Amino acid sequence: EVHLVESGGGLVQPGGSLRLSCSASGFTFSDYNMHWVRQAPRGGLEFVSAITTYGREIYYGDSVRGRFTISRDDSKNTLYLQMSSLRAEDTAVYFCAKAKGRSYDYWGQGTLVTVSS
Amino acid sequence: EIVLTQSPATLSLSPGERATLSCRASQSVNTYIAWYQHKAGQAPRLLIYDASNRATGVPARFSGGGSGTDFTLTISSLEPEDFAVYYCQQRLTWLLTFGGGTRVEIK
Repeated sequence: EVHLVESGGGLVQPGGSLRLSCSASGFTFSDYNMHWVRQAPRGGLEFVSAITTYGREIYYGDSVRGRFTISRDDSKNTLYLQMSSLRAEDTAVYFCAKAKGRSYDYWGQGTLVTVSS
Repeated sequence: EIVLTQSPATLSLSPGERATLSCRASQSVNTYIAWYQHKAGQAPRLLIYDASNRATGVPARFSGGGSGTDFTLTISSLEPEDFAVYYCQQRLTWLLTFGGGTRVEIK
């Protein structure tokens, strides 16, 4: 059974940094593209970042480009999101998601990031 | 950026009724549309991919259709567990986007 478990969320001050992790199990992690998607309070879903297999290609949403860095460690079956220069508008639940074709077939339950002084 | 507009924002229906949800794209996305069900505090669940293909384990009462710019998700007969928020998503390019969601609530 596929499991994606996010961790690393919490309260951080504006301008601060945080690293999220997503631990994967139940599938061959290295064979799949992985994404981060977020949901702001009372908001919809927003694409954050994607990384293809072997980290060959990386993509970012416009609102996080230059501040966030996605990476993966296939030996640990783990996806990461390094977030810096955080803003209040980055407050959201962050989900990791396993890509299947042009959609996501599995998601984690999310980790909450709150940016506030 | 491709904008997805979902309508209605809220659908108030009773169990057993038919639900029809709409998703309109600002430009053609071929059939690269997926639909997800999301309940608060849970992981979103893939229902439909490539506009009309049911994901593994999804009941037959869920169906998707459309191509180009207009898409629909139909729930033929609402079950109590179907009351949730539904999102469409496109990935014509790597800059994927989601619709704003339709909340299906109990009338």
